[in-house]
Amino acid sequence: ILNVEQSPQSLHVQEGDSTNFTCSFPSSNFYALHWYRWETAKSPEALFVMTLNGDEKKKGRISATLNTKEGYSYLYIKGSQPEDSATYLCAFMNRGSTLGRLYFGRGTQLTVWP
Amino acid sequence: SQTIHQWPATLVQPVGSPLSLECTVEGTSNPNLYWYRQAAGRGLQLLFYSVGIGQISSEVPQNLSASRPQDRQFILSSKKLLLSDSGFYLCASRAGIGYTFGSGTRLTVV
Repeated sequence: ILNVEQSPQSLHVQEGDSTNFTCSFPSSNFYALHWYRWETAKSPEALFVMTLNGDEKKKGRISATLNTKEGYSYLYIKGSQPEDSATYLCAFMNRGSTLGRLYFGRGTQLTVWP
Repeated sequence: SQTIHQWPATLVQPVGSPLSLECTVEGTSNPNLYWYRQAAGRGLQLLFYSVGIGQISSEVPQNLSASRPQDRQFILSSKKLLLSDSGFYLCASRAGIGYTFGSGTRLTVV
């Protein structure tokens, strides 16, 4: 079983604050790193799929970076809004897996206070 | 684009009762399908995957089983639920490198 760690486990910020959290994963046999935004009672929503070392992706106020050599990815939210409150999941996909399975972290639960 | 329908959203079942969770996929054909579970305090863990009709593989030994009677239907079952089966169950479909998830079922076994 591959180990994917996310930190912090939870985060409380004020509206307008910028925030970031970390996902660490095995640095060997890397294929892809996924970020999802998951609100209660809804389907996890894909944010980014990152495949190349040094990748930086952006979607509105949310961006992510990837370092496959050291095995970590950062997710940044600029100017947090209450609607950003959700659990953010990262998931690792390893090379050579014909299943395409994802190894998930436990998530970072973000709460943005107005 | 793919859509996954998963039901029910919540379920409370007594220990020893049977279970059937259904997942159907729209917008694609011959997808790889997956059942994941999130137990309390843990990350999502893969339970079963299927690459085609009637083809089921299990990742971990457990009290559950899965079936794929049709190309876009994936069913998670148990004959007798245990307390440890409580958790959040997600169905997922993979197309290329991306995944689509259902909205999940929260199962509480009492």
